[in-house]
Amino acid sequence: GAVVSQHPSWVICKSGTSVKIECRSLDFQATTMFWYRQFPKQSLMLMATSNEGSKATYEQGVEKDKFLINHASLTLSTLTVTSAHPEDSSFYICSAPPGTSGSNYNEQFFGPGTRLTVL
Amino acid sequence: RKEVEQDPGPFNVPEGATVAFNCTYSNSASQSFFWYRQDCRKEPKLLMSVYSSGNEDGRFTAQLNRASQYISLLIRDSKLSDSATYLCVVKGGGFKTIFGAGTRLFVKA
Repeated sequence: GAVVSQHPSWVICKSGTSVKIECRSLDFQATTMFWYRQFPKQSLMLMATSNEGSKATYEQGVEKDKFLINHASLTLSTLTVTSAHPEDSSFYICSAPPGTSGSNYNEQFFGPGTRLTVL
Repeated sequence: RKEVEQDPGPFNVPEGATVAFNCTYSNSASQSFFWYRQDCRKEPKLLMSVYSSGNEDGRFTAQLNRASQYISLLIRDSKLSDSATYLCVVKGGGFKTIFGAGTRLFVKA
């Protein structure tokens, strides 16, 4: 199946710093990528939809100025957590559906996730 | 009401047991349905899609009832390796995908 990578796989940072997480589709192009956040024992919550060449679409309650998303190419989306605080500590997962258009697809392919710990 | 609801469990079962998970969804316009498996500290991985006619993959059987907006997953002959969190996933039109909170399963020897 298609492969999605994330980097870094884990990061520990001090409060107030910014952290950038990369999501790459390795063997397919993705005009759309999704960013999820998962707190312990909770479900994946969609944060935003990253669109190549245009602005990301954020879910209600997600601060776009805090979670900056850049989808610079058909294989790369980045999520930057700005001025991170301990409550931002979470498991961040990206996913991408294969296909460059809005055509039907069945499966999303997930990156392995990035575990962020803010001290 | 949550868009996708699951019994959080945990389900604690012995090896060889049969266990069933249920899921309900609120959006009647939902188009695609899946069960994903998530191991601790890992990303979700597709277990199987769910079709109205019901579908089976080895020890796993999935059912969809559109009228009741209800999805189920049956695991027969549970193995230790089946221990994980099972996520009910519903997709509407376009790309948006909604995840249930997951049902935790522990299979014990």
